[in-house]
Amino acid sequence: QSALTQPPSASGSPGQSVTISCTGTSSDVGDYDYVSWYQHHPGKAPKLMIYEVNKRPSGVPDRFSGSKSGNTASLTVSGLQADDEADYYCNSYAGSNKYVFGTGTKVTVL
Amino acid sequence: EVQLVESGGGLVQPGESMRLSCVVSGFNMGNYWMHWVRQDPGKGLVWLSRINSAGTNTNYADSVKGRFTISRDNAKNTLYLQMNSLGAEDTAVYYCVRDVYYRLDVWGQGTTVTVSS
Repeated sequence: QSALTQPPSASGSPGQSVTISCTGTSSDVGDYDYVSWYQHHPGKAPKLMIYEVNKRPSGVPDRFSGSKSGNTASLTVSGLQADDEADYYCNSYAGSNKYVFGTGTKVTVL
Repeated sequence: EVQLVESGGGLVQPGESMRLSCVVSGFNMGNYWMHWVRQDPGKGLVWLSRINSAGTNTNYADSVKGRFTISRDNAKNTLYLQMNSLGAEDTAVYYCVRDVYYRLDVWGQGTTVTVSS
């Protein structure tokens, strides 16, 4: 299974918003609402930020939101803060008991 | 506190085998499906394998199918990944992850595997 496509980088100033896309196919993102997003600070354990396209786990600020249209999912981080600087990965169930991650996006807070 | 702690990583020669372990605490592992995910050096996350709560059903990425085996011992709260015929491309940080209905909600800190002669 091929990795989902994400832009390598995204950036914004504190307080601004940044949106990251995650493009798959009709066999993964387009076929299932099991799209999740993970924040990864290097050297630390990845953290679940969004699941089932647009649901937030307890404790994740509402500055993080998710959406999906067709084969593309998106993560928006509003009100950027310094601690939001990290790598972000999308993930989708791909059918046939397999999962696929995105290529990852490095978010920089300017 | 929910915790997953991986171990067993290190330096291994090409063609050799290695077994990773993941000890969990703070929850009943027998109630959850579990995964292994890895991050190649300087690259992104890659899903490797999943096992159901009873240990009777396993799934693998094409890249490791036939070489890697996931298993679990719920009585010991431990998840395993047996890795055979290792190559340089298997050098990575390996993460143990808990699954809650298609979302990977808790991750370990990872254990590093280096395949080199």
